[in-house]
Amino acid sequence: LAKTTQPISMDSYEGQEVNITCSHNNIATNDYITWYQQFPSQGPRFIIQGYKTKVTNEVASLFIPADRKSSTLSLPRVSLSDTAVYYCLVVRGRLTGGGNKLTFGTGTQLKVEL
Amino acid sequence: SAVISQKPSRDICQRGTSLTIQCQVDSQVTMMFWYRQQPGQSLTLIATANQGSEATYESGFVIDKFPISRPNLTFSTLTVSNMSPEDSSIYLCSVGVAGGISGEQYFGPGTRLTVT
Repeated sequence: LAKTTQPISMDSYEGQEVNITCSHNNIATNDYITWYQQFPSQGPRFIIQGYKTKVTNEVASLFIPADRKSSTLSLPRVSLSDTAVYYCLVVRGRLTGGGNKLTFGTGTQLKVEL
Repeated sequence: SAVISQKPSRDICQRGTSLTIQCQVDSQVTMMFWYRQQPGQSLTLIATANQGSEATYESGFVIDKFPISRPNLTFSTLTVSNMSPEDSSIYLCSVGVAGGISGEQYFGPGTRLTVT
């Protein structure tokens, strides 16, 4: 699976939009890009997944350019509660049997301040 | 979504002993995964547990050290055997979603293990 690279940390203020970029130069044709959020002392929580262009849900947007070698997680109007580690993962395409092993990188520690 | 619980939530153990961690899911799932997260680090997959078959271990993890049981579609256990301080970590189980999108998994709250 493609290795991912993302910033170790980012700082922001409440109300701002935060964009976290992840590079995955060796992504394969049937790979998906997936993002997780992890708060201290909790398990990771799935945020969003996409294959190309743009995906939006109630939490975030995911932008993927045509070459798919990078992706950007966009968090609109962050609050203090968005302070967490954000992981970008490349995941092999849908498998039968209901599961797919995940490879976590180092993640980006986002700190939101007042 | 699936709700996952783990027992114990935390434990302090002496070196040389073993601890069995339980993972319970509120619905039937085909595949369950066990991860380890050392303090301040990212998650590392230990093994994949399929019901009715042997677990599949990742490089660097062996069955003698981390035996796994998967007796049914809602339950799994991970045993950390002959513990040493290097085994101090958070251990998490997760489940995939049958027919769901490929990267979406639900994680348990984790078991914080300290080995003295």
